[in-house]
Amino acid sequence: AQSVTQLGSHVSVSEGALVLLRCNYSSSVPPYLFWYVQYPNQGLQLLLKYTSAATLVKGINGFEAEFKKSETSFHLTKPSAHMSDAAEYFCAVKGSGTYKYIFGTGTRLKVLA
Amino acid sequence: NAGVTQTPKFQVLKTGQSMTLQCAQDMNHNSMYWYRQDPGMGLRLIYYSASEGTTDKGEVPNGYNVSRLNKREFSLRLESAAPSQTSVYFCASQDSPTGANVLTFGAGSRLTVL
Repeated sequence: AQSVTQLGSHVSVSEGALVLLRCNYSSSVPPYLFWYVQYPNQGLQLLLKYTSAATLVKGINGFEAEFKKSETSFHLTKPSAHMSDAAEYFCAVKGSGTYKYIFGTGTRLKVLA
Repeated sequence: NAGVTQTPKFQVLKTGQSMTLQCAQDMNHNSMYWYRQDPGMGLRLIYYSASEGTTDKGEVPNGYNVSRLNKREFSLRLESAAPSQTSVYFCASQDSPTGANVLTFGAGSRLTVL
């Protein structure tokens, strides 16, 4: 069964610092991988997705993620944090032949001035 | 704006009361989902609907019923609310369930059961 692990339920970074949010998945077949962001009192919005076309995926708002099959990881990064990046971030995995998405437990990002 | 609309946004119930959460999408999507979000647990699937008239149980279906009467609307009903059903509920839709299609989420319905 597929699973997703997000290390760190809360991450704090200073404005301008590197953002690194970790996601590891468990799957026997390379799946589809997603990062969603949730701003306060809103639904989830897609940041980026991996579909096997390229291992480095660029998303919105300067975020990117790298798929590493050997490490079963799909970590999310942004070179320079902005106050507006404060939100909760969810990693999700999905198999090609299923409708089921498996979401991680989320990482709340706090950006310090 | 096109998207997923959920009503109500907030609701407080007493234990044993019933209510229905409404969800409608105007993107002509086939698949629709109901999730609940609880602190530290991420999103858990309650029910899924591949098309009008079809529904599948998800990870946490107990205590809930759903109805997909047409392509646009997918409602979630709590027949006898319990405090354990205090949560934020999200409806989502997508065009096709296979492949890497992206879920479009509603803004959520925050339910408190006293």
